[in-house]
This record gives sequence, C-alpha cells and structure tokens, in this order.
Amino acid sequence: EIVMTQSPATLSVSPGETATLSCRASESVSSNLAWYQQKPGQVPRLLIYGASTGSTGIPARFHGSGSGTEFTLTIISLQSEDFAIYYCQQYSQWPYTFGQGTKLDIK
Amino acid sequence: QVQLQESGPGLVKPSQTLSLTCTLSGGSVIDGGHYWSWIRQHPGKGLEWIGYFYYGGDTYYNPSLKSRITISADTSKNQFSLKLSSVIAADTAVYYCARGPRGVVVITQWGRGTLVTVSS
Repeated sequence: EIVMTQSPATLSVSPGETATLSCRASESVSSNLAWYQQKPGQVPRLLIYGASTGSTGIPARFHGSGSGTEFTLTIISLQSEDFAIYYCQQYSQWPYTFGQGTKLDIK
Repeated sequence: QVQLQESGPGLVKPSQTLSLTCTLSGGSVIDGGHYWSWIRQHPGKGLEWIGYFYYGGDTYYNPSLKSRITISADTSKNQFSLKLSSVIAADTAVYYCARGPRGVVVITQWGRGTLVTVSS
C-alpha cells in the first residue's frame, strides 16, 4: 500500500502568519491527493481534492499544490479557527491511505 | 442534505464480531452518484479506510482486514452495515460511516462516529 508521510508532526504558527504543511507519498499518486481538517471532537472536513481544488465552502486562504509524490497545503493569514489537525489522503491506489496528521498549534 | 448515523454496541468482547449499521436520511443508498464507506480512527491516531462500495457495483475491502470484513447494504431500510469478525483490542476505534462522490474517492460527508471498545 502507498504510505503517506506528513511533516512536521506539529507546527506552531502565530495567527495572521502563513503555515506550510507537507505530505509525501511512497510512490506517485499523480494528483489524486486530498487534504482534510479535523478539530477536537469533530469529524474531518474535506478542504482540498485533486491536490489543488478547493472543496465547496472552503475559504480561499487554503491552497493545495504538488503532484506525484510531494504535496503542500498552505494556509495564508491563519485564523483562530484554523488551529487543528490536518490529514492528507491519497486516492490513487486502493487501499486509500491517510497520513498520520500534522497538528497546527497556536504559537 | 444527506445525514449518516452510526449505531451498534459500544463494547465488544475479544474474538466476537463487531456489527455496526449506518442509517441514511435525506438520501438513498441506491444513489448511483455516490459511494459509501466505513473508516475508523484509533484513539488519538490517524484514519484507516476499512472499505467502500457503490450500490450495484463492487465492494472494496482493505487487504489488512479483508478476511474479517463484510460490508453490505439493506435498501429496504436505507442502511448499510459493517461486520468485523474475530476482533482484538487493536480494533478499538471510532468507526465512521461516510459518503463521497463517485469518481473522486474522497469523503465529503461523515457520520458523527461511534466509539467501539474491544474488551472483556
């Protein structure tokens, strides 16, 4: 199965700044990559699919990029509600797999 | 807007079968435009895709669990279910039923999740 590795495990950023989260696939997944946000006690929410396409209702400050094995989620001008855990997920090859998550903390 | 709700025992003994049901409202399991999934999340950990199906199509099981899983639909009740046999402590997790659009295998809607603990 394709292993998804996210870095860093924890990222501390101040509100108003930009956060950059990384996701690496153990083999190419083309652009079949999604990002989710999960807050404590809540279900994950789809942010990005197709590596760079925003899901319905997702604020413009969330940007996805990359293809193949290297992907990035950039969150511009962090808001208080953005501090959460972020997961990447590949849907190129079954079983579809998630990264272990990056926790975005308030600095 | 479709809503999904998991139901089933919160405690299962080791070696027994975990059985969960997902009941849909505001949508139909025979909707050919979506696929239906079970995903689990171990306490404080990441997400694991257990399996999924399209109504009238194939069912896909995670190879790591394949010998123990059955996913099926009950159209008369507008439900789908998960059975996981021979459970062990490592199967303790929050189990989610979920749905996504056919053609892009991502999750757009989730049930609230149900915690299943495997313990004697």
